[in-house]
Amino acid sequence: AQRVTQPEKLLSVFKGAPVELKCNYSYSGSPELFWYVQYSRQRLQLLLRHISRESIKGFTADLNKGETSFHLKKPFAQEEDSAMYYCALFFTSGSRLTFGEGTQLTVNP
Amino acid sequence: DVKVTQSSRYLVKRTGEKVFLECVQDMDHENMFWYRQDPGLGLRLIYFSYDVKMKEKGDIPEGYSVSREKKERFSLILESASTNQTSMYLCASKQGTLSMGYTFGSGTRLTVV
Repeated sequence: AQRVTQPEKLLSVFKGAPVELKCNYSYSGSPELFWYVQYSRQRLQLLLRHISRESIKGFTADLNKGETSFHLKKPFAQEEDSAMYYCALFFTSGSRLTFGEGTQLTVNP
Repeated sequence: DVKVTQSSRYLVKRTGEKVFLECVQDMDHENMFWYRQDPGLGLRLIYFSYDVKMKEKGDIPEGYSVSREKKERFSLILESASTNQTSMYLCASKQGTLSMGYTFGSGTRLTVV
């Protein structure tokens, strides 16, 4: 069965420190993985997708099929990065997104 | 610039009431979704619809039903609200079968007392 796991519910770092939000998945097919972000009082929005291999707001994420992981990384966290982050898996058979439990990131000044 | 609108931001209902949560999108999207968002559990899919009058169960459909009479509107119905349905409900829509293009509403915070 398709499943996305984010082992950390809460993550707190200081401004300027590196940050890594972990995501693991289980899926028998070829995965499409995403990171979504929800800032305080804002709508859930797409941050990045693994296919595009881009850096958004300084964040990157690499798909590791061997470890079935898609961790989100940023070398120098900023206070404005404080938000709830969700890892999500899209599986074509159901044409829908499955989300992980979410990680609340707090970047302290 | 609002594209997915959920009619209520906050809602308080009593146990046993029939509750309607409304979602409207103006992007002519075929697909619409209802998720509930709970701390520590993330977003869980309740129901989705890929066309007018079509519906599919998601991962947690028990206690819910949906209605899609028009393409732009997708309603979530709690037939008899219970306290364990207190949650944030998010509506989303997207076009086609691709993985991109999800647009989310701002959410409805439902409290059942």
